[in-house]
Amino acid sequence: GDSVTQMEGPVTLSEEACLTINCTYTATGYPSLFWYVQYPGEGLQLLLKATKADDKGSNKGFEATYRKETTSFHLEKGSVQVSDSAVYFCALSEDAGGTSYGKLTFGQGTILTVHP
Amino acid sequence: NAGVTQTPKFQVLKTGQSMTLQCAQDMNHEYMSWYRQDPGMGLRLIHYSVGAGITDQGEVPNGYNVSRSTTEDFPLRLLSAAPSQTSVYFCASSYLGVGTEAFFGQGTRLTVV
Repeated sequence: GDSVTQMEGPVTLSEEACLTINCTYTATGYPSLFWYVQYPGEGLQLLLKATKADDKGSNKGFEATYRKETTSFHLEKGSVQVSDSAVYFCALSEDAGGTSYGKLTFGQGTILTVHP
Repeated sequence: NAGVTQTPKFQVLKTGQSMTLQCAQDMNHEYMSWYRQDPGMGLRLIHYSVGAGITDQGEVPNGYNVSRSTTEDFPLRLLSAAPSQTSVYFCASSYLGVGTEAFFGQGTRLTVV
C-alpha cells in the first residue's frame, strides 16, 4: 500500500536558519503530494501541494518539488521564523479515480521549534 | 464561513462508555473523513464518505461507526470506549478531484480511563 516517510524529528533551529524536512513516498499510481502544517492547539492546514512530477509547490517562503525519480517531496525554507514553529506533515493522495480522491496517507510528522 | 466544526473539543470517557463525536461542514464538500492522531504515527484514516449514504472503512476502523445522512454532517461513534482509543480525532472534508485541499476541524482530544 501507499506510505510516506518523514525524517526523524524533532528539529530545533535558530531564527533565520535554513530548513529542510525530508519526505519520501511509496505509491502504486500517480499521487498528489502535500505538506500540511499544524500550529499548537489547531487542526491541520494545507501549506503547499504538487500534483505532478517536477511541479514545485510554494507558500509563505516554503517550497517543495515533486521528484518522481527519487520519490521525494522535501520541504525547504531559506530563513525560518519563530512563527514557523509547528508540526509539519507530508502526505499523499492516490489519484487513481473512484473513491481514492481525498484519501490522504500521512507521514509521522516533524516537530519544528525555532528559537529567537 | 465556519468551515469544519467539531464538537466537543475535549472529552473524558470511562472504559465501556459510548459517545458520538460530531463533525459538520458548510462548504458542500462531497468527501468527509475521520482521522486519529497518535504521537509518532501521524494521522491514520478511520472512516470516510464520498457522499450522503455512502461510507467506507479506512486503515483503523475497529471500534468506530459512522453514518452520512446529509452532505453536511459526518458523526463518529465510539461503540464501547477502550483506553487504546485515547487519541486526538480530526474530521476533514474536501471536494472530490485530483489534488484537492482537505479542510480540517480543530480536533477532539479524547481520553478513555
